[in-house]
Amino acid sequence: EAQVTQNPRYLITVTGKKLTVTCSQNMNHEYMSWYRQDPGLGLRQIYYSMNVEVTDKGDVPEGYKVSRKEKRNFPLILESPSPNQTSLYFCASHFTQNTEAFFGQGTRLTVV
Amino acid sequence: TQLLEQSPQFLSIQEGENLTVYCNSSSVFSSLQWYRQEPGEGPVLLVTVVTGGEVKKLKRLTFQFGDARKDSSLHITAAQPGDTGLYLCAGAPGAGSYQLTFGKGTKLSVIP
Repeated sequence: EAQVTQNPRYLITVTGKKLTVTCSQNMNHEYMSWYRQDPGLGLRQIYYSMNVEVTDKGDVPEGYKVSRKEKRNFPLILESPSPNQTSLYFCASHFTQNTEAFFGQGTRLTVV
Repeated sequence: TQLLEQSPQFLSIQEGENLTVYCNSSSVFSSLQWYRQEPGEGPVLLVTVVTGGEVKKLKRLTFQFGDARKDSSLHITAAQPGDTGLYLCAGAPGAGSYQLTFGKGTKLSVIP
């Protein structure tokens, strides 16, 4: 079954404690992205990757890091989380920019 | 970053009514996608429109791409409670850009 898997689904952490949200896809897609979704602001792109070792900033990259060492994995790293990073995060992958984006089930992050 | 304005932001209607959701931009997109998102889940693709003036139908849902490829609409005929959800439009800018731009969404509630 084609899918994008994110872990964890829910996470509560404290300010400044480094965390990683994992994302894996089994469709051999080249393009992967991270979004955050906030009430009234919609889905905003954090980072995207066009292929292994090729990443670029989206609209709201501050406070986040990503890596793409393998085609299937695209982890999101928060080196020093802050309360304003409390949000619902989605990973997505797609074959090209004009084709369907497959989304993970989301990670609800709370930073206290 | 190109902007997509979606309207209305919220819509509450009775079962059996018709409705239209709009997605507008001042920029041209190579394609436009419509997604539906259920609470606690990631967005799922409904349709992609690529050609200016294109009309696609998915059962009771009709999607149209503007002639100039700057706007799109989603029309639902005889809405059902199962249509309840968040509807998102997303635009692909074109060659050389890998950023999918999302509108803020329309939250639809269909009351039985």
